[in-house]
This record gives sequence, structure tokens and C-alpha cells, in this order.
Amino acid sequence: AQSVSQHNHHVILSEAASLELGCNYSYGGTVNLFWYVQYPGQHLQLLLKYFSGDPLVKGIKGFEAEFIKSKFSFNLRKPSVQWSDTAEYFCAVIREAGNNRKLIWGLGTSLAVNP
Amino acid sequence: DTGVSQDPRHKITKRGQNVTFRCDPISEHNRLYWYRQTLGQGPEFLTYFQNEAQLEKSRLLSDRFSAERPKGSFSTLEIQRTEQGDSAMYLCASSLGSLATMGQYFGPGTRLTVT
Repeated sequence: AQSVSQHNHHVILSEAASLELGCNYSYGGTVNLFWYVQYPGQHLQLLLKYFSGDPLVKGIKGFEAEFIKSKFSFNLRKPSVQWSDTAEYFCAVIREAGNNRKLIWGLGTSLAVNP
Repeated sequence: DTGVSQDPRHKITKRGQNVTFRCDPISEHNRLYWYRQTLGQGPEFLTYFQNEAQLEKSRLLSDRFSAERPKGSFSTLEIQRTEQGDSAMYLCASSLGSLATMGQYFGPGTRLTVT
């Protein structure tokens, strides 16, 4: 079955620590990849996306993600987290050659940053 | 605020009652999506409109669920004869053009509690 896996369900970090959240997908072929963030009490927001070109994508608030096709991965990174990064992070995928009408979502990773 | 809006934000209803939610997408966006999200899960796709046409419905959307987008602008999601299992956050999102390149913009959601 088509799926998106986020390895870490809960992550707790101290401020200034580095962050890497894993995301793997199970499709072959061309994909488009997204990371969304949901801050407490707020709606889902697009953090960054990849659809072609440079596999290292930079998003808002200092986040970046690297698409590694050979590993079917799109891990999210930030070199130094802040307390305000406490949120739920979701990875999502579209298969470009298939149904382009909906995203397939991971279960999310809850990040708590301690001040 | 020119983002996606949803109304109401919270709805508490008794089992067996009908409920209707409204979504107003970003004005120039031609695509509109409904999702359901429960605690600890990513969004689950329910249905998708391009303009006024409903192009896809998930198998999650039972006969008790119906969605409309009569003029290609706002959309409504109705749940008839609600069940406790319908308790969830119902999310609306909109996009302009290709989902792959443009991503989606989410509303704040409607939290439904069925007692």
C-alpha cells in the first residue's frame, strides 16, 4: 500500500539543539514532497516543498529538507531549534504520475522544545 | 484575513443529529479539499472539488456524508445521523492550480464532538 512513514512520533529537545525528523515514502517514480507544521491551536501551514531541481529545499523559519531519491527520504532539518518551534510536523507526498488530487500524509511528529 | 475560513470552529452535537460545516477558500483558488483529522493522526482525505465539480470521494466518506460546492466558491460538508466515531477535526484546504507545485492552504478546522 502507498504510505508515508515518519519515524519519530515524539521528539523532545532543548533550545539550540539540532533537529532532524525522518520521512520515508513507499512509491517509485517521480514524487512531490511537502512538510507541513501545525503550531498549538493553529491550522496547518506549509513549511516547505520539493517538486523538482535542487534536492536541498529551504523553507520558512530556518527549516530545510533534503530529498534523497535513492533512500526514498525527505528528512526535515533545522540546525538550532527554538522554543517557538514546538509543534506537530507532518510529511506528505503526491505521486506526480498518479493521482495528483490528494496528498498522502504521514502520522506526524510531535516536537517539544524545552527553553 | 484572506486565508481559508471555516465555520463553526467548534460543534457539539448529540448522536443522531445532522451537522453542516462551511468552508470559504481563498478567493481565487479553484480547488477545495476536505480532510478529517483525529488525535495523533495525519489528515485523512475525504473529498476534493475543482470549481463546482466534486472529482473524488474517499471510501471514508460514507453515505451519511455529503459535500457540495454549488458555485465553485464556498463548500459545505454535511454529516447526517452523526455517530460518536465522527468526532474529529474537519479540515478544509484550498489550492490554485497544481497541487504538486502550489501546495495547499488550510483553514483552522471545525472540531466536532458527538456525545
